[in-house]
Amino acid sequence: GAVVSQHPSRVICKSGTSVKIECRSLDFQATTMFWYRQFPKQSLMLMATSNEGSKATYEQGVEKDKFLINHASLTLSTLTVTSAHPEDSSFYICRGAGGAGGTEAFFGQGTRLTVV
Amino acid sequence: AQSVTQLDSHVSVSEGTPVLLRCNYSSSYSPSLFWYVQHPNKGLQLLLKYTSAATLVKGINGFEAEFKKSETSFHLTKPSAHMSDAAEYFCVVSDPGSSNTGKLIFGQGTTLQVKP
Repeated sequence: GAVVSQHPSRVICKSGTSVKIECRSLDFQATTMFWYRQFPKQSLMLMATSNEGSKATYEQGVEKDKFLINHASLTLSTLTVTSAHPEDSSFYICRGAGGAGGTEAFFGQGTRLTVV
Repeated sequence: AQSVTQLDSHVSVSEGTPVLLRCNYSSSYSPSLFWYVQHPNKGLQLLLKYTSAATLVKGINGFEAEFKKSETSFHLTKPSAHMSDAAEYFCVVSDPGSSNTGKLIFGQGTTLQVKP
C-alpha cells in the first residue's frame, strides 16, 4: 500500500536553531499534506494543511512564520521549525492524502523534536 | 460540525480478557470513522475503518468495531487482549467537506494497559 516516509525520526537541536522535517509520499502523489503536532499523553492537533504548489492553510493559533511548510512537489512536503525553543519540543506527524491515499490516507512515522 | 469523544482515557485489562474501547461521534453527515493505534514514539497505524458499508467492521490484529447510528457510537472490541496490544488508541472521524482529502478529527485517545 501507499507509504509516507518521514525523516528524521528523532532530532535534538539547540534553542534558536531551525529544524527541517521531511515527508515523502512513496507510490502515490500526495496532493494534500496534513501536519500534526502531538504533546505527551495528548491527541493529535492539526497544525496546517498544504496543497501542492500553493500556500499552506494554518489552523488558528499556529504561527505560520514559525512553522514554515513547503509542498513544492506531489511527493515531498517539508515542515521547518524556525528559531526553535524548548516549548516547541513535541512529536510531529505528517499525513499524506490524495490519489491512492484517500481519506484513510497515510501517516508518516513521526519526528520527535527535542529543543535544548 | 464533526466531533468525536472517547469515553475512557485509560483502560486496563488482563491478558486474555476482552477489550472494549468506547467512542461516540457527532456528525451532520454520514461519517467515515476510523480507529488508529499508536505505540510509544511511533506513528499511527490504521486498525479499521467504516465507510457506510457493513456496520460491523473487522480490522487487523483481531480488532473489530460496530457502527451504531442510533447510538452514534463506534466502539472498538477484541475478544482476547494480548500484551502487544498495549498502546494508545484513537477514534477518528473524517470531515467530508473536502471529499477525498478531508480533515481527520481525532478523539482524545485511550491508553490501553494489558496486565500479565
